[in-house]
Formats: sequence, C-alpha cells, structure tokens
Amino acid sequence: GDSVTQMEGPVTLSEEAFLTINCTYTATGYPSLFWYVQYPGEGLQLLLKATKADDKGSNKGFEATYRKETTSFHLEKGSVQVSDSAVYFCALGSGGGADGLTFGKGTHLIIQP
Amino acid sequence: EPEVTQTPSHQVTQMGQEVILRCVPISNHLYFYWYRQILGQKVEFLVSFYNNEISEKSEIFDDQFSVERPDGSNFTLKIRSTKLEDSAMYFCASSVSRVALNQPQHFGDGTRLSIL
Repeated sequence: GDSVTQMEGPVTLSEEAFLTINCTYTATGYPSLFWYVQYPGEGLQLLLKATKADDKGSNKGFEATYRKETTSFHLEKGSVQVSDSAVYFCALGSGGGADGLTFGKGTHLIIQP
Repeated sequence: EPEVTQTPSHQVTQMGQEVILRCVPISNHLYFYWYRQILGQKVEFLVSFYNNEISEKSEIFDDQFSVERPDGSNFTLKIRSTKLEDSAMYFCASSVSRVALNQPQHFGDGTRLSIL
C-alpha cells in the first residue's frame, strides 16, 4: 500500500538557517503530494501541494518539488523564523483513486532565536 | 478564509459510553472526512463521505463507528461504545472534490477525545 516516510525530529535550527525536511513516498499510480503544518494548539493547515512530476509547490517562503525519479517531496526554506516552529506533515493523495490521505509521522521543527 | 470548525475541542468520556464529535465543513465542499491521531503516532484516515453515504472507510472504521450528515451543515462521527484505545485527536476535513482530482483537504483544529 501507499506509505510516506519523513525524517525523524525534533529538528532544531537557529533563526535564518536553511531548512530541509526530507519526505519520500511509495505509491501506485500518480499521487498528489502535500505538506501540512500544525502550529501548537491548532489543526492541520495546508502549506503547499504538487500534483504531478516536476511541479513545485510554494507558500510562505517554503518550497517542495515533486521528484518522481527519486519518489521524494522534500520541504525547503531558505531562512527560517521563530514563527515557523511547528510540526510538519508530508502527505500523499493516492493516484489510485482512494479518498484518504496517507500521512508521514510528522517532523517537529524548533527554531531558536 | 472559510474554515472547518469542530466541537468540542476536548471531550472526556467514560469507557463504554457513546460519544458524538461534531464538524461543520466548508460550505461549498462536497466531500467530508474523519481522521484520527493517537498520541505520538501518524494521522490515520478513518472514513470519507459523499452524497449522503460513506464513500470509503479504513479497517479502523469498524461497527463501533458511524457518520452522519443530519442537516445541511453538520457532519458527525459517533463512537457507540468507547474503549480506552479510542483516546486520540480526531480531525474532520472537507474538500471540493476528491483528492484523486488533485483537490486538497482542509482540516479543522481537531477534537481531543480522552476515554477514562
């Protein structure tokens, strides 16, 4: 079945550092890929998405490129802020037509001033 | 920006009791979902609902669970006889169309269910 693997956290960085959170997936067909973010005490918010190979999703300075050849969708940001501290989830929408998203375990990001 | 709202934010229930979790999806969305996240584990899909019937359900969604859209705005998840292992955060989500058509799902803030 479909699966998503994310790098384990917590990831601790200093403000203005470069961020990469790795995400790889296994899926049949041509899935859609998403990053969701969960700020403390809040729900899951859609951060960005990509729906086909080589698509780049971007939002709020974050970017991720759908790489079919490496089955990856790594999240990057050039300069993180304290306000980016949150849990980040990589998720997959099946190309096989299933309704439910498949989530990774989440990566807790801590940005220190 | 329209959002999915869930009530209550925290529900404490005795084991064996029935519980109903409530959600108001985004108004023009047609697909509705429930997910759960047991503490420290992945967010897991439970069920999807479209056109007043279940579209898809996972193996977690057994006979203890049911969903309903009792009126034009609410979408509910009922757990008939709660067990300790039902303690989790439950997320409601909605989307304009199916994820297979590249439509994202929008999530509520969740209901934390604690079974004593």
